[in-house]
Amino acid sequence: GAVVSQHPSRVICKSGTSVKIECRSLDFQATTMFWYRQFPKQSLMLMATSNEGSKATYEQGVEKDKFLINHASLTLSTLTVTSAHPEDSSFYICSARDRTGGTEAFFGQGTRLTVV
Amino acid sequence: QKEVEQDPGPLSVPEGAIVSLNCTYSNSAFQYFMWYRQYSRKGPELLMYTYSSGNKEDGRFTAQVDKSSKYISLFIRDSQPSDSATYLCAMKNSGNTPLVFGKGTRLSVIA
Repeated sequence: GAVVSQHPSRVICKSGTSVKIECRSLDFQATTMFWYRQFPKQSLMLMATSNEGSKATYEQGVEKDKFLINHASLTLSTLTVTSAHPEDSSFYICSARDRTGGTEAFFGQGTRLTVV
Repeated sequence: QKEVEQDPGPLSVPEGAIVSLNCTYSNSAFQYFMWYRQYSRKGPELLMYTYSSGNKEDGRFTAQVDKSSKYISLFIRDSQPSDSATYLCAMKNSGNTPLVFGKGTRLSVIA
């Protein structure tokens, strides 16, 4: 199956700093990438949809200035958590959809962010 | 009513049991139905993918979709301890739209 690589898998940062998370599709071109947040024992909460070369579409309640998404190429999207605070600590997961129009999405391994 | 309802469990079964996981949904426009398996602190892994109504089998896993009842199921035969994970149903309508997920069901298979 398709492979999506997410990096880093774990990061600890100080409050007020910014953290960048990368999501790469390794063996296919991803027109669309999705970013999710997941709290313990909860389902995935969609944060934003990112299409290559255009601005991300954010879900209601997600601060676009705090969670910066860049999708500059068909194989790479990045999520930057700016001025992170302890309440931003969570598990962030990306997924990618094949540009050929596949409906399923392939997920990265997730990034556990801890803000201290 | 949430778009997708899934009992979060936890569900605990003995090794070798048949497991039945279910989701109901309210949006009749959903056409694509998926089951994902998620181990602790990992990203979800696609298990089964079904278009419209019907059954699909892959090894020990069988996915069923009943669009008339807006009900989908995943059956796991001869369950193994390695099947212990959270199972998420997901679905979408046509077009390049996001998946809508259930809450996930935590499954434990006891040896």
